[in-house]
Order: sequence, then structure tokens, then C-alpha cells
Amino acid sequence: NAGVTQNPKFQVLKTGQSMTLQCAQDMNHNSMYWYRQDPGMGLRLIYYSASEGTTDKGEVPNGYNVSRLNKREFSLRLESAAPSQTSVYFCASSDNTGASRGYTFGSGTRLTVV
Amino acid sequence: QKEVEQNSGPLSVPEGAIASLNCTYSDRGSQSFFWYRQYSGKSPELIMSIYSNGDKEDGRFTAQLNKASQYVSLLIRDSQPSDSATYLCAAAGGKLIFGQGTELSVKP
Repeated sequence: NAGVTQNPKFQVLKTGQSMTLQCAQDMNHNSMYWYRQDPGMGLRLIYYSASEGTTDKGEVPNGYNVSRLNKREFSLRLESAAPSQTSVYFCASSDNTGASRGYTFGSGTRLTVV
Repeated sequence: QKEVEQNSGPLSVPEGAIASLNCTYSDRGSQSFFWYRQYSGKSPELIMSIYSNGDKEDGRFTAQLNKASQYVSLLIRDSQPSDSATYLCAAAGGKLIFGQGTELSVKP
């Protein structure tokens, strides 16, 4: 039972480099989410996808782009990384946007931008 | 701005005691409420959900909801050192909105 799988687990980038964080779920969930977690800040929503083919901005979308490749996969791209994007990134999924049964989280990607 | 507020802690309790974690939310349209446990360096794990006013018990955990006061709490009875973690409260009126988390430390 894989649930939500994220890759890579760790990454170090130089300022200005780009990268894509991968996320896939095998629970046939419709909705997927990208959060970042910083000390003392809780989980902040970057982007979400309510269903295949749709994406919307969350609370902190600047500097990021997303692609809902299919129902299983939702990727997050940093086009030009900045030190302020050093964070832990979590992907999550749910079976509906009402979140009535909560979200299932992946194991996270720890990103450092130097 | 919809908000969920928690005391960041740390909250320290002795082993065997009751730990009480509290949360308030601003969106009266929120319908579902959740408690997640997050061990250091790990991802959040759903431990309790509650949808109606009152108490919901699951083993050593009891979630309490008071919609009139916009207040959610989590009680952990017979606290164990393995309960030491950060506890995240979340409210859903659409997407989940998370609080900043309360760090709990259970001392042997």
C-alpha cells in the first residue's frame, strides 16, 4: 500500500536552478495538494488540483508552478529557486475537495536552496 | 482570511497524565475537523476526525468539538513518551486549513 509517493526525498539546489518535485497517489483520489512546511508556520497550501485537468492557487503560490499530469500524478516545479524556498514540501491527496475524510500525506521532500 | 489557531507549546506532561491540546478556528462554515500527529522529520498522520458537536473517543484519544465557540480539542489519556510529537489541528470548509501545531513532550 504505497499511498502517496514523493520524489526526491532530499534535494540541494543552487539559487536560480530549477527542479520538479514529483508526487503520485494510488488511492484513486480526485484531489491533490502541495504544501510547504516551515518552522513555526504550520502547513501552507501552495497549489491544489480538485480534479484531473484543473489546478488552482493556494495561499503561497508565488515562485511555483504545477501540473496535474493525470489522475495519479501532480508535480510541483520551481523555475528559479530562491533561498526563501528552502522548506519541507508535502504532497497530499483526498477523495473529494470537501476534505470530509481528511488528507493522506506523502513522506515529504526536504529542499535546501543555497 | 480563514484561520486555525493553536498554542505552539511546547506542552510538557509527565507520563501517565492527560495531555490537553486546544484549537480555535475562524470559519463558521467549517464542517469537518481533524487532528494530525507529526513526529520529527516525518509526515503528518491522521489520528482523529470529528464532525458534530460533542466528544468522540478512540482508544486513549478523545476529540471534542464546540461549533458555537469554534473550538476543537484533543485529550490524550495515559500519555506515553511515544506520544511526544507535534499535533496539528485542521478545519475543512472546503480545503483543509491547518494550525501551526502544538509540540507535546511526555516526560518519563
